[in-house]
Amino acid sequence: DVKVTQSSRYLVKRTGEKVFLECVQDMDHENMFWYRQDPGLGLRLIYFSYDVKMKEKGDIPEGYSVSREKKERFSLILESASTNQTSMYLCASSLPDRGRVKAEAFFGQGTRLTVV
Amino acid sequence: QKEVEQDPGPLSVPEGAIVSLNCTYSNSAFQYFMWYRQYSRKGPELLMYTYSSGNKEDGRFTAQVDKSSKYISLFIRDSQPSDSATYLCAMSINNAGNMLTFGGGTRLMVKP
Repeated sequence: DVKVTQSSRYLVKRTGEKVFLECVQDMDHENMFWYRQDPGLGLRLIYFSYDVKMKEKGDIPEGYSVSREKKERFSLILESASTNQTSMYLCASSLPDRGRVKAEAFFGQGTRLTVV
Repeated sequence: QKEVEQDPGPLSVPEGAIVSLNCTYSNSAFQYFMWYRQYSRKGPELLMYTYSSGNKEDGRFTAQVDKSSKYISLFIRDSQPSDSATYLCAMSINNAGNMLTFGGGTRLMVKP
């Protein structure tokens, strides 16, 4: 059974703290993503990575950074957490585009981060 | 204007009803269209995947794409309480898991 695992379900952090969200996938997928999900806004892409040590900015990268030192692990870092970063964070992984083979994105169960 | 629009609901229906969920979009370059289902406190999971215009059926679920109108739909027949979830439409230009653009999601409640 395919699996994307996020290290925490719930986190509460203080404003200004450095926050690490960890994600591990066991499917040997090249692509990994971090989204945040807010009511009425759907999922918005923060960063994605298509290979080890490679990263690309998504739609809302400000205030975030990422690290991908190993293929199976993708970390999201909030350098100095702020209250407007309170959200649900979702990690996902997928295969790259390979013609007509469906490249489904598999999601973790999410980390609900509250910054106080 | 958002690139993908989706009514947030909630949509409440009785068990057994036919449910229609819809999204409109503005980018005519979208070629791949998906519906994800997200149960409370879980991550989204892929429900339907279609390419270009047309219909696709899978059990009680039918996905329709009308590229000329930039409109996609998900129909659920004989809805069950277990269908209660948030349904997110997603679309992309390429056939990869990256560069998905999501709608805001519609919350569906099926009452026994």
